Amino acid sequence: TQLLEQSPQFLSIQEGENLTVYCNSSSVFSSLQWYRQEPGEGPVLLVTVVTGGEVKKLKRLTFQFGDARKDSSLHITAAQPGDTGLYLCAGGEKETSGSRLTFGEGTQLTVNP
Amino acid sequence: EAQVTQNPRYLITVTGKKLTVTCSQNMNHEYMSWYRQDPGLGLRQIYYSMNVEVTDKGDVPEGYKVSRKEKRNFPLILESPSPNQTSLYFCASSLLAGAAGYTFGSGTRLTVV
Repeated sequence: TQLLEQSPQFLSIQEGENLTVYCNSSSVFSSLQWYRQEPGEGPVLLVTVVTGGEVKKLKRLTFQFGDARKDSSLHITAAQPGDTGLYLCAGGEKETSGSRLTFGEGTQLTVNP
Repeated sequence: EAQVTQNPRYLITVTGKKLTVTCSQNMNHEYMSWYRQDPGLGLRQIYYSMNVEVTDKGDVPEGYKVSRKEKRNFPLILESPSPNQTSLYFCASSLLAGAAGYTFGSGTRLTVV
């Protein structure tokens, strides 16, 4: 089983601050996905990265896939209270075209007004 | 509206009483998957399916069965539920698996007493 470690596990910041969440593994993944989950709801896909070194931007969110496809980061600029939620990374196993997904345990982000 | 629909949303049952959680998607997705989410353990994959009649075990398949007789449906069957299967369950579907990411249902909270 491939493992993904996310850090930090909890993050509480003030509105307007910047933050970075990390997702690391010793395994190579064919793809890396980031999701955000609200309490009592299913995860919602934010982005998928598939190429080593790939950088994708989604408004104030910047996602990067490591060159070796073993790690990823999520950077949020000028965080807002609406960014509060559980952020999950998930790695897709190459042999199953990404059907076999391994999730990190998540980063619980709280943005205080 | 494109969505993954799970039923029921909440279920309380007794040990040993067979149950089925249904999952249906209206996006013509080939890939479908079941997860359970537990505090401190994150999201763990139970089973996944890459196409009709093609299913495979995820990380925690013991005590569960699935079937994929048609593309849109992927039911999760607990033949003899036990208290350690009390959890929050999510079904998800994808057009391209790792390359595209998954759409998740709203979840089924199962309690086995």
